Amino acid sequence: SQQGEEDPQALSIQEGENATMNCSYKTSINNLQWYRQNSGRGLVHLILIRSNEREKHSGRLRVTLDTSKKSSSLLITASRAADTASYFCATALRSGTYKYIFGTGTRLKVLA
Amino acid sequence: GAVVSQHPSWVICKSGTSVKIECRSLDFQATTMFWYRQFPKQSLMLMATSNEGSKATYEQGVEKDKFLINHASLTLSTLTVTSAHPEDSSFYICSAIPLRAGGPSDTQYFGPGTRLTVL
Repeated sequence: SQQGEEDPQALSIQEGENATMNCSYKTSINNLQWYRQNSGRGLVHLILIRSNEREKHSGRLRVTLDTSKKSSSLLITASRAADTASYFCATALRSGTYKYIFGTGTRLKVLA
Repeated sequence: GAVVSQHPSWVICKSGTSVKIECRSLDFQATTMFWYRQFPKQSLMLMATSNEGSKATYEQGVEKDKFLINHASLTLSTLTVTSAHPEDSSFYICSAIPLRAGGPSDTQYFGPGTRLTVL
């Protein structure tokens, strides 16, 4: 399977703490994106990082990309209860099909 | 901007019937849309790529005669689950890539999903 792996599968933290999720993938990519999904809902785009970028920030989100290790991490700082959701990484392949391969996801629970 | 809608949001049907799910890009045009299915507590699995004006491209293991896709316009793609069975019960999500000057966007925008329950 081409599907990426994410770890941890589940993460439970206290409000105010930082949450780190990791994503590993198998093939060369054009870009990698992170999405959030609240239970039973669609996906919300969080951030895109291109293969020639190493780090990107957006508000409380920080994403890193290491193409040599084929891995990415998503850091959410000062987490809030509203951050409780599943987080997925998605890799866009170099084939130019704009097709995404989704990771297995991390279920984050932020306790108030 | 970049809003994608799906209709219906949920549907319950009897085994053997067909169900049509619509995916619309509300404020942009999309030559390419994607259909995914998601089982509880699992990730999204790509089913097919829907291209406006041409046949859909199906992923390995997805039956094209069971999951009919029609992308008739730049803002609408439909997925029809034919002769649905209980094992087809799932959460179906579509996404669309905005068509912009210079080529398609890098980002897929997702619909809210359709929950299908087959009795």
